[in-house]
Amino acid sequence: EAQVTQNPRYLITVTGKKLTVTCSQNMNHEYMSWYRQDPGLGLRQIYYSMNVEATDKGDVPEGYKVSRKEKRNFPLILESPSPNQTSLYFCASSTTGVAYEQYFGPGTRLTVT
Amino acid sequence: AQSVTQPDIHITVSEGASLELRCNYSYGATPYLFWYVQSPGQGLQLLLKYFSGDTLVQGIKGFEAEFKRSQSSFNLRKPSVHWSDAAEYFCAVGDSGAGSYQLTFGKGTKLSVIP
Repeated sequence: EAQVTQNPRYLITVTGKKLTVTCSQNMNHEYMSWYRQDPGLGLRQIYYSMNVEATDKGDVPEGYKVSRKEKRNFPLILESPSPNQTSLYFCASSTTGVAYEQYFGPGTRLTVT
Repeated sequence: AQSVTQPDIHITVSEGASLELRCNYSYGATPYLFWYVQSPGQGLQLLLKYFSGDTLVQGIKGFEAEFKRSQSSFNLRKPSVHWSDAAEYFCAVGDSGAGSYQLTFGKGTKLSVIP
């Protein structure tokens, strides 16, 4: 089954404790992206990757890091989480070229206390 | 820069009634347009998309949307709403420029369905 998986689905942590949210896709997509969703703000892009070893900032990159060492994986790293990073996070992957389409993971709900 | 406006934050309809969710976009060229649905506790599922051609697009679950260039709109419609359609709906505009696949989302419209 074609899918994007994320782990963990739920995470409660404390301020300053480094964490990683994993994202993996099995569709051989070149493009991958991370979004955060906050009430009343919709989805905002954090980082994206056009291919292995090619990442770039989205609209709200502060406080986040990413890496793309393999085509299928695109982890999101919070090196020193703060309470304002409490949010619902989505990973997505996409075909490229004309008529592209983004597929979303199930989401990771992060709470930073 | 591209942008999307969904004017209605929350809409309530009775089961069996028709539905129209509004979406207006801002984009310099012909946009790529999408509607996604997010059920409670779930990820986003693509309902339909527009890239070119016929301006009336059919999607899954009985939804359709019409691209109107003159009004910069891409409104989502369904003739008869089911209770299971209660969810949050997001309109998105995609960059049609070569080599760019960024989506910009609206803030969403939450749909409640009265039995």
